[in-house]
Amino acid sequence: AQSVTQLDSQVPVFEEAPVELRCNYSSSVSVYLFWYVQYPNQGLQLLLKYLSGSTLVKGINGFEAEFNKSQTSFHLRKPSVHISDTAEYFCAVSDQSGTASKLTFGTGTRLQVTL
Amino acid sequence: KAGVTQTPRYLIKTRGQQVTLSCSPISGHRSVSWYQQTPGQGLQFLFEYFSETQRNKGNFPGRFSGRQFSNSRSEMNVSTLELGDSALYLCASSELIGALNSPLHFGNGTRLTVT
Repeated sequence: AQSVTQLDSQVPVFEEAPVELRCNYSSSVSVYLFWYVQYPNQGLQLLLKYLSGSTLVKGINGFEAEFNKSQTSFHLRKPSVHISDTAEYFCAVSDQSGTASKLTFGTGTRLQVTL
Repeated sequence: KAGVTQTPRYLIKTRGQQVTLSCSPISGHRSVSWYQQTPGQGLQFLFEYFSETQRNKGNFPGRFSGRQFSNSRSEMNVSTLELGDSALYLCASSELIGALNSPLHFGNGTRLTVT
């Protein structure tokens, strides 16, 4: 079975500082990885995804993530955060059949950006 | 294009009752998935429908059911409600099933409170 671990439940950071949200996965087969963001009282929005190819994936809102197979990680980074980035971030892995609709999510990391 | 629409946004029910939640996918999307989000269990996959057929199912009891209509709109039903069913229920649509290049688009959810 596949699983995702988000090591930090909360990450406080000052505005304009860099941030890294950690995600580790467990899978015995090819993996397809995603990062989603959830703003208060809203659904999830796709930030970026890794399917294959380049291990550095760029997403929306200035976020990027690096797939590291040897460390089974897919950490999310942003060089300079903004107040508006305050939200909950979820790492997710697709099931083995590649059915993108069936995702296994991590428990989420709440990013709190302050002045 | 209009996004994924879920109705109602909020719902309060009593234990033992049943409830029906509705989801209208993005126009042209044929796959609809449902997720349950709770503080304790996080995001969990309920089921997925494509062309009016259930294609995937998560580990939920039979009290949770769903269906999809010919216009791709979907409903999910929970019978004999329990306190633990209180959650945010998210619907997501995508153009295709089993296609990793078809990202999920989430609605804002229906928040169900069972008293």
